[in-house]
Amino acid sequence: DAGVTQSPTHLIKTRGQQVTLRCSPKSGHDTVSWYQQALGQGPQFIFQYYEEEERQRGNFPDRFSGHQFPNYSSELNVNALLLGDSALYLCASSSLGVSYNEQFFGPGTRLTVL
Amino acid sequence: DAKTTQPPSMDCAEGRAANLPCNHSTISGNEYVYWYRQIHSQGPQYIIHGLKNNETNEMASLIITEDRKSSTLILPHATLRDTAVYYCIVRSPNNAGNMLTFGGGTRLMVKP
Repeated sequence: DAGVTQSPTHLIKTRGQQVTLRCSPKSGHDTVSWYQQALGQGPQFIFQYYEEEERQRGNFPDRFSGHQFPNYSSELNVNALLLGDSALYLCASSSLGVSYNEQFFGPGTRLTVL
Repeated sequence: DAKTTQPPSMDCAEGRAANLPCNHSTISGNEYVYWYRQIHSQGPQYIIHGLKNNETNEMASLIITEDRKSSTLILPHATLRDTAVYYCIVRSPNNAGNMLTFGGGTRLMVKP
């Protein structure tokens, strides 16, 4: 079992550009959540996808959007990048039908905006 | 979900027990206490969770006070590899999205 995988591991972009980050959930999981972690802070919830739809969203602007594919993998898109978008972006997978289940996190994608 | 308060940092000697406290005085009756840890440059890792009874697994023990307003995560024999940021999270089963609300956590430094 490969666990949660994310790509790329590192990415450098400039202000105003757009970026797409990718996540493959743990085998057997159907739900993908995305988190942003700024340096020195705890992860902040961006949104969650289940059955290819956004189920829940945190306090992030519309520049942050996502998608889930039929195979449960997911993408996070960020448009019009700002310097403040520099962070570690974490993907977590879980199985919505399992009560009180833990979320499994990937290693993250480190995004640097110059 | 209720808010949690943790000390920003703690030290522990290698081989000794590490006791990490967490206050959650506004916890509701149906809210669970979860612990995750994040080793440097990795994603958070689930450790343990509980409702009211003490819990133990291969990684740690969780002690929840009778009034449920605080809890302690215990690593019985800390190793250098346990150096990480430990997050205490309170989550309601009614939280349909299962989203996790992370605070600042406790940075545990295990020293030789």
